Amino acid sequence: DSGVTQTPKHLITATGQRVTLRCSPRSGDLSVYWYQQSLDQGLQFLIQYYNGEERAKGNILERFSAQQFPDLHSELNLSSLELGDSALYFCASSVGLVYEQYFGPGTRLTVT
Amino acid sequence: GEDVEQSLFLSVREGDSSVINCTYTDSSSTYLYWYKQEPGAGLQLLTYIFSNMDMKQDQRLTVLLNKKDKHLSLRIADTQTGDSAIYFCAESKDGNKLVFGAGTILRVKS
Repeated sequence: DSGVTQTPKHLITATGQRVTLRCSPRSGDLSVYWYQQSLDQGLQFLIQYYNGEERAKGNILERFSAQQFPDLHSELNLSSLELGDSALYFCASSVGLVYEQYFGPGTRLTVT
Repeated sequence: GEDVEQSLFLSVREGDSSVINCTYTDSSSTYLYWYKQEPGAGLQLLTYIFSNMDMKQDQRLTVLLNKKDKHLSLRIADTQTGDSAIYFCAESKDGNKLVFGAGTILRVKS
């Protein structure tokens, strides 16, 4: 157990819908990262937050957004969902900006 | 480009050593990582190495880093059936994001 928690574990929804994925980092970690794992793209970095502020953006679609709250948990919002958004979404956390990252168990999103 | 490359598949006998190889792209990467993913599970951080090190040993795991060739390897001694999984190499880029390889499927035959 890495200490990073993610909810829900599974999510099934229809095209065009909006979902919110939640992540709680390890105790004491200030940095939260979101990654997407799909069969065709592999593991891709989406976005990073550090102590409530956005620090880096990767291959994140405009339909996706994220935020980190004062208690340091983070949410990833996915809207106007398409079939191709079906994937495993991982959250990771680290103590600071350039430290080892620990991953949560992931949320499996299925868009039908 | 951003590609981290790994061999796709490795099959070993139980008790043998496994060596999984990876080449990365960014000579300024601070950390290089090995993660393990079992079926239906998340990514488990196995070990990592700072870019100023050549080798790191952690129980059955040995990581070798050749900075000149941008080559990283993970050796698992006395491989067990429980080691069967997908192993991902990753480099840290731009100080924070991880760039992953496609993963190496390790199959351990008893």
